[in-house]
Amino acid sequence: DAGVIQSPRHEVTEMGQEVTLRCKPISGHNSLFWYRQTMMRGLELLIYFNNNVPIDDSGMPEDRFSAKMPNASFSTLKIQPSEPRDSAVYFCASSSESGLGGTNEKLFFGSGTQLSVL
Amino acid sequence: SQKIEQNSEALNIQEGKTATLTCNYTNYSPAYLQWYRQDPGRGPVFLLLIRENEKEKRKERLKVTFDTTLKQSLFHITASQPADSATYLCALVIADMRFGAGTRLTVKP
Repeated sequence: DAGVIQSPRHEVTEMGQEVTLRCKPISGHNSLFWYRQTMMRGLELLIYFNNNVPIDDSGMPEDRFSAKMPNASFSTLKIQPSEPRDSAVYFCASSSESGLGGTNEKLFFGSGTQLSVL
Repeated sequence: SQKIEQNSEALNIQEGKTATLTCNYTNYSPAYLQWYRQDPGRGPVFLLLIRENEKEKRKERLKVTFDTTLKQSLFHITASQPADSATYLCALVIADMRFGAGTRLTVKP
């Protein structure tokens, strides 16, 4: 299995531009998570999906952020318009359990997208 | 307020010694706790999970303890090697999964 695949690995953009991050979870996994990691705040959960349905988006910082999961093998995280404070590493993770709270939950992370907003 | 604290930002030890990392939490009642390893430029990798009714869990040179009274988990690496150098993150699973800030471990030869 190729693991969780994220693209692009690096993204440099200018303030105000739209940014789209992509994620392909591990085949057969039914839960998908988007995290953001910064030195100041560590790993923060932004949103997670179970069976393609958003379950909890309370971590999404503001309306500029949106996430979709149109099918079991693809998800996007969009920032529009982007701001310098959005600069971070964005991770996607998937799990075979039925969402958080499962008794054997463990996450498989992608390699992340390093986003720099100038 | 709810917090997850890992004892130190960085820990340096000599090869062959035991590394002990601490994860403390407040105002949470997690059903279980996990430890992950993260290398530079990579995503975290799952290492161990321990449930609230388990006191200790082992895997090769790794040992995790979970004290729900103290609200603390200890993560030990015995006979440490330079290849163990990485950042180690603890994670609590409640309604969602929350991570500590991590401890950067450096094992010197």
